[in-house]
Amino acid sequence: QKEVEQNSGPLSVPEGAIASLNCTYSDRVSQSFFWYRQYSGKSPELIMSIYSNGDKEDGRFTAQLNKASQYVSLLIRDSQPSDSATYLCAANDYKLSFGAGTTVTVRA
Amino acid sequence: AAGVIQSPRHLIKEKRETATLKCYPIPRHDTVYWYQQGPGQDPQFLISFYEKMQSDKGSIPDRFSAQQFSDYHSELNMSSLELGDSALYFCASGTSGGGSYNEQFFGPGTRLTVL
Repeated sequence: QKEVEQNSGPLSVPEGAIASLNCTYSDRVSQSFFWYRQYSGKSPELIMSIYSNGDKEDGRFTAQLNKASQYVSLLIRDSQPSDSATYLCAANDYKLSFGAGTTVTVRA
Repeated sequence: AAGVIQSPRHLIKEKRETATLKCYPIPRHDTVYWYQQGPGQDPQFLISFYEKMQSDKGSIPDRFSAQQFSDYHSELNMSSLELGDSALYFCASGTSGGGSYNEQFFGPGTRLTVL
Protein backbone atom coordinates (compact mmCIF):
# COMPACT_ATOMS: atom_id res chain seq x y z
CA GLN A 1 0.00 0.00 0.00
CA LYS A 2 1.27 3.44 -0.91
CA GLU A 3 2.13 5.78 1.91
CA VAL A 4 0.34 8.58 0.07
CA GLU A 5 -3.04 8.00 -1.53
CA GLN A 6 -4.85 10.38 -3.84
CA ASN A 7 -8.54 10.27 -4.72
CA SER A 8 -8.98 8.70 -8.09
CA GLY A 9 -9.45 10.89 -11.12
CA PRO A 10 -9.89 12.12 -13.62
CA LEU A 11 -11.53 15.34 -12.48
CA SER A 12 -13.34 17.52 -14.99
CA VAL A 13 -14.46 21.02 -14.04
CA PRO A 14 -15.84 23.95 -16.07
CA GLU A 15 -13.74 27.04 -16.51
CA GLY A 16 -14.09 29.38 -13.55
CA ALA A 17 -15.12 26.64 -11.12
CA ILE A 18 -13.24 25.30 -8.09
CA ALA A 19 -11.25 22.10 -8.47
CA SER A 20 -10.80 20.13 -5.25
CA LEU A 21 -8.08 17.51 -4.89
CA ASN A 22 -7.53 15.32 -1.86
CA CYS A 23 -4.73 13.20 -0.54
CA THR A 24 -4.43 10.97 2.52
CA TYR A 25 -1.24 9.68 4.08
CA SER A 26 -0.08 7.03 6.47
CA ASP A 27 1.39 7.85 9.85
CA ARG A 28 4.74 6.51 8.62
CA VAL A 29 5.47 9.60 6.57
CA SER A 30 6.75 13.01 7.47
CA GLN A 31 4.51 15.91 8.27
CA SER A 32 5.54 18.14 5.39
CA PHE A 33 3.76 17.97 2.07
CA PHE A 34 4.05 19.34 -1.41
CA TRP A 35 1.73 19.67 -4.37
CA TYR A 36 3.27 19.38 -7.81
CA ARG A 37 1.70 20.06 -11.17
CA GLN A 38 2.84 17.93 -14.09
CA TYR A 39 1.93 18.49 -17.70
CA SER A 40 2.10 15.46 -19.95
CA GLY A 41 5.71 14.55 -20.77
CA LYS A 42 7.07 17.38 -18.59
CA SER A 43 8.67 17.49 -15.18
CA PRO A 44 6.80 18.04 -11.90
CA GLU A 45 6.51 21.73 -10.99
CA LEU A 46 6.22 22.69 -7.33
CA ILE A 47 3.12 24.79 -6.74
CA MET A 48 2.49 24.55 -2.99
CA SER A 49 4.21 23.38 0.16
CA ILE A 50 2.52 23.03 3.54
CA TYR A 51 3.92 22.02 6.91
CA SER A 52 1.43 23.24 9.53
CA ASN A 53 -2.18 22.45 10.26
CA GLY A 54 -4.60 24.77 8.54
CA ASP A 55 -4.77 26.59 5.25
CA LYS A 56 -2.10 28.16 3.09
CA GLU A 57 -3.07 30.37 0.17
CA ASP A 58 -1.01 31.38 -2.84
CA GLY A 59 -2.89 33.12 -5.60
CA ARG A 60 -5.64 30.85 -6.88
CA PHE A 61 -4.27 27.86 -4.94
CA THR A 62 -5.12 26.93 -1.36
CA ALA A 63 -3.55 23.98 0.39
CA GLN A 64 -5.07 22.52 3.54
CA LEU A 65 -3.40 20.17 6.01
CA ASN A 66 -5.24 18.25 8.72
CA LYS A 67 -2.78 16.17 10.71
CA ALA A 68 -5.41 14.62 12.99
CA SER A 69 -7.27 13.19 10.00
CA GLN A 70 -4.08 12.66 7.99
CA TYR A 71 -5.19 14.39 4.87
CA VAL A 72 -3.96 17.22 2.71
CA SER A 73 -5.96 18.93 0.00
CA LEU A 74 -5.55 21.44 -2.79
CA LEU A 75 -8.19 23.84 -4.03
CA ILE A 76 -7.82 25.58 -7.37
CA ARG A 77 -10.12 28.59 -7.61
CA ASP A 78 -11.27 30.17 -10.87
CA SER A 79 -9.95 27.18 -12.81
CA GLN A 80 -8.43 27.96 -16.20
CA PRO A 81 -7.82 25.66 -19.17
CA SER A 82 -4.09 26.08 -18.48
CA ASP A 83 -4.66 24.33 -15.13
CA SER A 84 -5.39 21.11 -17.03
CA ALA A 85 -2.64 18.78 -15.82
CA THR A 86 -1.89 15.96 -13.40
CA TYR A 87 -1.52 17.08 -9.80
CA LEU A 88 0.77 15.05 -7.56
CA CYS A 89 0.62 15.08 -3.79
CA ALA A 90 3.96 14.26 -2.17
CA ALA A 91 5.09 13.61 1.39
CA ASN A 92 8.58 14.89 2.06
CA ASP A 93 10.73 12.68 4.27
CA TYR A 94 14.05 13.84 2.77
CA LYS A 95 12.86 11.88 -0.25
CA LEU A 96 9.48 12.40 -1.87
CA SER A 97 6.76 9.77 -1.72
CA PHE A 98 4.16 10.59 -4.33
CA GLY A 99 0.52 9.74 -4.66
CA ALA A 100 -0.69 8.32 -7.95
CA GLY A 101 -1.80 11.76 -9.14
CA THR A 102 -5.12 13.28 -10.11
CA THR A 103 -5.65 14.37 -13.71
CA VAL A 104 -7.62 17.59 -13.93
CA THR A 105 -9.31 18.80 -17.10
CA VAL A 106 -10.74 22.30 -17.18
CA ARG A 107 -13.48 22.64 -19.82
CA ALA A 108 -13.65 25.96 -21.62
CA ALA B 1 16.17 32.09 -12.23
CA ALA B 2 18.53 29.22 -12.84
CA GLY B 3 16.95 25.79 -12.88
CA VAL B 4 18.13 22.22 -12.72
CA ILE B 5 19.87 21.11 -15.90
CA GLN B 6 19.78 17.54 -17.13
CA SER B 7 21.53 15.98 -20.08
CA PRO B 8 20.89 14.40 -22.42
CA ARG B 9 17.19 15.15 -22.80
CA HIS B 10 16.58 12.06 -24.89
CA LEU B 11 18.56 8.84 -25.07
CA ILE B 12 18.00 5.69 -27.06
CA LYS B 13 19.92 2.56 -26.16
CA GLU B 14 19.87 -1.12 -26.97
CA LYS B 15 19.36 -3.84 -24.38
CA ARG B 16 22.46 -4.65 -22.36
CA GLU B 17 24.09 -1.31 -23.21
CA THR B 18 25.09 1.31 -20.65
CA ALA B 19 23.86 4.86 -20.18
CA THR B 20 25.02 7.88 -18.19
CA LEU B 21 22.64 10.64 -17.20
CA LYS B 22 23.90 13.96 -15.88
CA CYS B 23 22.35 16.49 -13.53
CA TYR B 24 23.47 20.00 -12.66
CA PRO B 25 21.62 21.33 -9.60
CA ILE B 26 20.44 24.86 -9.00
CA PRO B 27 23.40 27.01 -7.85
CA ARG B 28 23.98 26.80 -4.09
CA HIS B 29 21.85 23.68 -3.78
CA ASP B 30 23.83 20.93 -2.06
CA THR B 31 21.44 17.99 -2.38
CA VAL B 32 20.52 16.01 -5.47
CA TYR B 33 17.75 13.45 -5.83
CA TRP B 34 17.08 11.02 -8.68
CA TYR B 35 13.59 9.78 -9.58
CA GLN B 36 12.29 7.36 -12.20
CA GLN B 37 8.86 7.77 -13.74
CA GLY B 38 7.45 5.00 -15.90
CA PRO B 39 4.52 5.56 -18.28
CA GLY B 40 1.37 6.40 -16.33
CA GLN B 41 3.23 6.08 -13.02
CA ASP B 42 4.17 8.54 -10.33
CA PRO B 43 7.86 9.32 -9.82
CA GLN B 44 9.74 6.75 -7.75
CA PHE B 45 12.72 7.77 -5.64
CA LEU B 46 16.00 6.13 -6.62
CA ILE B 47 18.84 7.73 -4.68
CA SER B 48 20.00 11.01 -3.18
CA PHE B 49 23.27 12.74 -2.36
CA TYR B 50 24.19 15.43 0.11
CA GLU B 51 27.61 17.04 0.06
CA LYS B 52 28.90 14.33 -2.30
CA MET B 53 27.85 11.51 0.01
CA GLN B 54 24.94 9.15 -0.60
CA SER B 55 22.23 10.20 1.81
CA ASP B 56 19.35 7.84 1.02
CA LYS B 57 18.59 4.96 -1.28
CA GLY B 58 15.26 3.85 -2.67
CA SER B 59 14.23 1.32 -5.27
CA ILE B 60 17.39 1.58 -7.33
CA PRO B 61 18.49 -1.61 -9.12
CA ASP B 62 21.97 -2.92 -8.41
CA ARG B 63 22.74 -2.32 -12.10
CA PHE B 64 22.50 1.40 -11.43
CA SER B 65 25.02 3.53 -9.58
CA ALA B 66 25.33 7.23 -8.99
CA GLN B 67 27.65 9.78 -7.51
CA GLN B 68 27.88 13.47 -6.77
CA PHE B 69 31.00 15.39 -7.69
CA SER B 70 32.86 18.27 -6.06
CA ASP B 71 30.93 20.82 -8.16
CA TYR B 72 27.69 19.19 -6.90
CA HIS B 73 26.68 17.83 -10.26
CA SER B 74 25.56 14.21 -10.23
CA GLU B 75 25.67 11.33 -12.66
CA LEU B 76 23.44 8.26 -12.79
CA ASN B 77 25.15 5.29 -14.44
CA MET B 78 22.96 2.51 -15.75
CA SER B 79 24.38 -0.77 -16.99
CA SER B 80 22.96 -3.91 -18.61
CA LEU B 81 19.93 -1.93 -19.68
CA GLU B 82 16.60 -3.73 -19.84
CA LEU B 83 13.42 -2.88 -21.71
CA GLY B 84 11.79 -2.05 -18.37
CA ASP B 85 14.30 0.70 -17.76
CA SER B 86 12.57 2.82 -20.40
CA ALA B 87 11.23 5.77 -18.45
CA LEU B 88 11.63 9.43 -17.65
CA TYR B 89 14.48 10.07 -15.25
CA PHE B 90 14.27 13.22 -13.21
CA CYS B 91 16.86 14.91 -11.10
CA ALA B 92 15.72 17.28 -8.37
CA SER B 93 17.81 19.61 -6.26
CA GLY B 94 17.37 21.22 -2.90
CA THR B 95 19.17 22.51 0.14
CA SER B 96 19.75 20.59 3.31
CA GLY B 97 19.25 23.38 5.80
CA GLY B 98 15.56 22.87 6.54
CA GLY B 99 15.50 19.11 6.95
CA SER B 100 12.37 17.46 5.60
CA TYR B 101 10.85 20.90 4.99
CA ASN B 102 13.26 21.48 2.10
CA GLU B 103 11.61 21.95 -1.23
CA GLN B 104 12.77 19.92 -4.19
CA PHE B 105 12.90 21.41 -7.67
CA PHE B 106 12.85 19.13 -10.65
CA GLY B 107 14.87 19.27 -13.84
CA PRO B 108 13.32 18.73 -17.28
CA GLY B 109 14.17 15.05 -17.23
CA THR B 110 15.89 12.56 -19.52
CA ARG B 111 13.67 10.29 -21.58
CA LEU B 112 15.42 6.93 -21.87
CA THR B 113 14.20 4.46 -24.43
CA VAL B 114 15.66 0.95 -24.42
CA LEU B 115 15.13 -1.05 -27.60
